Amino acid sequence: QQQVKQSPQSLIVQKGGISIINCAYENTAFDYFPWYQQFPGKGPALLIAIRPDVSEKKEGRFTISFNKSAKQFSLHIMDSQPGDSATYFCAASTGANNLFFGTGTRLTVIP
Amino acid sequence: GAGVSQSPRYKVAKRGQDVALRCDPISGHVSLFWYQQALGQGPEFLTYFQNEAQLDKSGLPSDRFFAERPEGSVSTLKIQRTQQEDSAVYLCASTSVGLRGGYGYTFGSGTRLTVV
Repeated sequence: QQQVKQSPQSLIVQKGGISIINCAYENTAFDYFPWYQQFPGKGPALLIAIRPDVSEKKEGRFTISFNKSAKQFSLHIMDSQPGDSATYFCAASTGANNLFFGTGTRLTVIP
Repeated sequence: GAGVSQSPRYKVAKRGQDVALRCDPISGHVSLFWYQQALGQGPEFLTYFQNEAQLDKSGLPSDRFFAERPEGSVSTLKIQRTQQEDSAVYLCASTSVGLRGGYGYTFGSGTRLTVV
């Protein structure tokens, strides 16, 4: 059973556009929601994370929006650049649980 | 070291062969995790160590998989009698935090195992 459902599977965005990736979860005990960025041949790297006591967190061009009642969270990449082309994974966990990953979104930013 | 180091980067094994994958975590990191990433999928948990103690091995897919971290630093994931379905990237992550909820994970670049 997939603990975290992620969409879309792939995304193509023009340079300068906004990339939006969505995730949904069922386990209301989850209290930590990170996003990871993975380039080919590399391991996932933490991009940004949020806890459910806030509805939004922004770091540079990356923003997480969190909707606790809907059990959904999303990643917004503003002013998308070709260097942002990578696979993005949402994830969720509690302190005592393992990190559960979504299935990934392959983002391509075209110049 | 500066990051989590995994070796080898690539391993091709004949079906039935035993393999050993190594992970060198960041020095001083208490917690170490192994994940399996199938092609086009997200990483899936295999096992978790806190220092030398293996606290959770619930994600290991069969008794052919075995992991150890005898001195609380370097860890080895061993797969016996490899099968084609074992083909995947095996990722190691470490963190200084003594919890396993994903906080402060640093992942290595992984070992890509191909079983032929």
